[in-house]
Amino acid sequence: GENVEQHPSTLSVQEGDSAVIKCTYSDSASNYFPWYKQELGKGPQLIIDIRSNVGEKKDQRIAVTLNKTAKHFSLHITETQPEDSAVYFCAALGAYKYIFGTGTRLKVLA
Amino acid sequence: GAGVSQSPSNKVTEKGKDVELRCDPISGHTALYWYRQSLGQGLEFLIYFQGNSAPDKSGLPSDRFSAERTGGSVSTLTIQRTQQEDSAVYLCASSFTGNTEAFFGQGTRLTVV
Repeated sequence: GENVEQHPSTLSVQEGDSAVIKCTYSDSASNYFPWYKQELGKGPQLIIDIRSNVGEKKDQRIAVTLNKTAKHFSLHITETQPEDSAVYFCAALGAYKYIFGTGTRLKVLA
Repeated sequence: GAGVSQSPSNKVTEKGKDVELRCDPISGHTALYWYRQSLGQGLEFLIYFQGNSAPDKSGLPSDRFSAERTGGSVSTLTIQRTQQEDSAVYLCASSFTGNTEAFFGQGTRLTVV
C-alpha cells in the first residue's frame, strides 16, 4: 500500500547550522508534497510544499527538493534558530489522501 | 472562520461512554479529513469527505467509529463505547478540493479513563 518513510526520527543541530530531513514515498501517482511543523499541543502547520512539476522551491530559510525518479523529497532549513525546534512531518498526496511520514523531532541547541 | 476549528479541545471520558468530536472546516473547503495521532506518533488516516460523501472510510479502526458531515461543512466524529486505546489527539483538516493545500485544526485530545 501507500507508504512514506521519513528520516531521521530525531535531529539535534547547533543554532545557525543547517538541518535536512528526508522522505521517500511509494505511490508513483503522488503529485503534491507538503511539509508540516507541529509544536507541542498544537495542530500541524503547513510550512512549505512542492508539486511534482518542479524540482526545488525556496521560502526564506526553508527549501524543499523533489526527485520524482527516485521518489525522494527533502526539507532543508538553513541558519536554524531555537524557534525551529518542533516535530516536522512530510506527506505525499495521491488522488485525495495524504499519507504522512512518521515525523522528525528537531531540536535546535542555543 | 479564519481556520479549522475543533471542539472540544480536551475531552476526558470514562471507558464505555460515547463521545462526539466536532470539526468546523474553513469556509468553502469541500474536502475534509480526520486523522488520529497517538502520543509521540505520526498521523493515522481515518476518513475523507468530499462534500457530504465519504468515499474513503478505510482508516476507521472499528465499527465503534463513525463520522458524518452535513451541509458540506461541519463534521462530527463519533466513538461509541470508548476504550483506553482510543486515547489520542484527533485532528481534522480541510482543503479546497482535495487536491490542494490542507490546513489542520488544533485537535481534540481525548483521554479515556
